[in-house]
Amino acid sequence: EDQVTQSPEALRLQEGESSSLNCSYTVSGLRGLFWYRQDPGKGPEFLFTLYSAGEEKEKERLKATLTKKESFLHITAPKPEDSATYLCAVQRGGGSYIPTFGRGTSLIVHP
Amino acid sequence: DGGITQSPKYLFRKEGQNVTLSCEQNLNHDAMYWYRQDPGQGLRLIYYSQIVNDFQKGDIAEGYSVSREKKESFPLTVTSAQKNPTAFYLCASSGDADSPLHFGNGTRLTVT
Repeated sequence: EDQVTQSPEALRLQEGESSSLNCSYTVSGLRGLFWYRQDPGKGPEFLFTLYSAGEEKEKERLKATLTKKESFLHITAPKPEDSATYLCAVQRGGGSYIPTFGRGTSLIVHP
Repeated sequence: DGGITQSPKYLFRKEGQNVTLSCEQNLNHDAMYWYRQDPGQGLRLIYYSQIVNDFQKGDIAEGYSVSREKKESFPLTVTSAQKNPTAFYLCASSGDADSPLHFGNGTRLTVT
């Protein structure tokens, strides 16, 4: 059974205080790992897809990295508008259309 | 712009009543999904459909039903058999097995 564990569950940062969110996974034949951002009362919004170990993707203050067992979402010099819940999901190979989601990390950035 | 539209945003019902949540997409995606999100529980899959006129149960299908008569539409009915229906419901779609999901902005259902 595929599993995704995200840590920490909640993270409070001061504006400008860089940190990382972790997504540990076990999956048979990883096809892709996805990061999403979810604002309160909204649906998740896609951020990145990572396909193979060593791959990195960047967008503004966010950088996602991937190893064979985990992914990190690095947040550099965060701003209050980065406050959200960040979700990680893995997609197995073999034509499956069903991703496995983690429970998310709730990030609050204080001004 | 292409996207997924869920309606209504808020829905209130009395216990014992069935209620149908709407989900429409104009992304030309084959696959569509329904998730339930409760605090601390993450996303739980209710039903999914990979093609028109076909759908499969997810992890928590009991008390729910769906239909997929058109590619664009995947309505979810929450029946009176669902013991704890109050939740935030999310609809999603994807173009293929390698693609991320595109989500709607959810319907918050409250049953009293």
